[in-house]
Amino acid sequence: DAGITQSPRHKVTETGTPVTLRCHQTENHRYMYWYRQDPGHGLRLIHYSYGVKDTDKGEVSDGYSVSRSKTEDFLLTLESATSSQTSVYFCAISDQISNQPQHFGDGTRLSIL
Amino acid sequence: DAKTTQPPSMDCAEGRAANLPCNHSTISGNEYVYWYRQIHSQGPQYIIHGLKNNETNEMASLIITEDRKSSTLILPHATLRDTAVYYCIVRVASTSGTYKYIFGTGTRLKVLA
Repeated sequence: DAGITQSPRHKVTETGTPVTLRCHQTENHRYMYWYRQDPGHGLRLIHYSYGVKDTDKGEVSDGYSVSRSKTEDFLLTLESATSSQTSVYFCAISDQISNQPQHFGDGTRLSIL
Repeated sequence: DAKTTQPPSMDCAEGRAANLPCNHSTISGNEYVYWYRQIHSQGPQYIIHGLKNNETNEMASLIITEDRKSSTLILPHATLRDTAVYYCIVRVASTSGTYKYIFGTGTRLKVLA
């Protein structure tokens, strides 16, 4: 399995508080992604990174920011969490060499009360 | 919007081949098709991918029609552990020059004893 660690695995917090989720990889892959998954939906892309300090928005980026200061870590921040951001968050990595696939972490279950 | 269409659910008898169809009629000439599965709330697991030729690995076979507008994932001898949601994904180019996955809602495969 790809070396991807998401932390925390579970978190419960209150509306209006800041939340940061961490994705750590040991594969030295260039590309990293954050997705969210809600009941009855597939995964939706929030933000992605194509190198250190290089990031771009996905389809559901409002209310989220990201940072990548080193290759192995990609942080997702909810500046002021809302109940609509209650979801399961998945990180993925890829090398995008020869169309290699993305590999996913085990997810973070975030509940905002 | 997802570029793929899959049936919402399918059943398959244990030991039989499971054939999961996917329609991607708007696929472009250089876009790959990827298949993943998700068991319970775990992270999606990569299965196989292809461009235009049929592909086979230790998990499954991928059959892509000559016009590339549809494909079929084949699990040759389904087991109870293959019960999962299966996603067919077309990888699309983004404005930053990287690639993104666009997930649909997948097919929920239930393998019956």
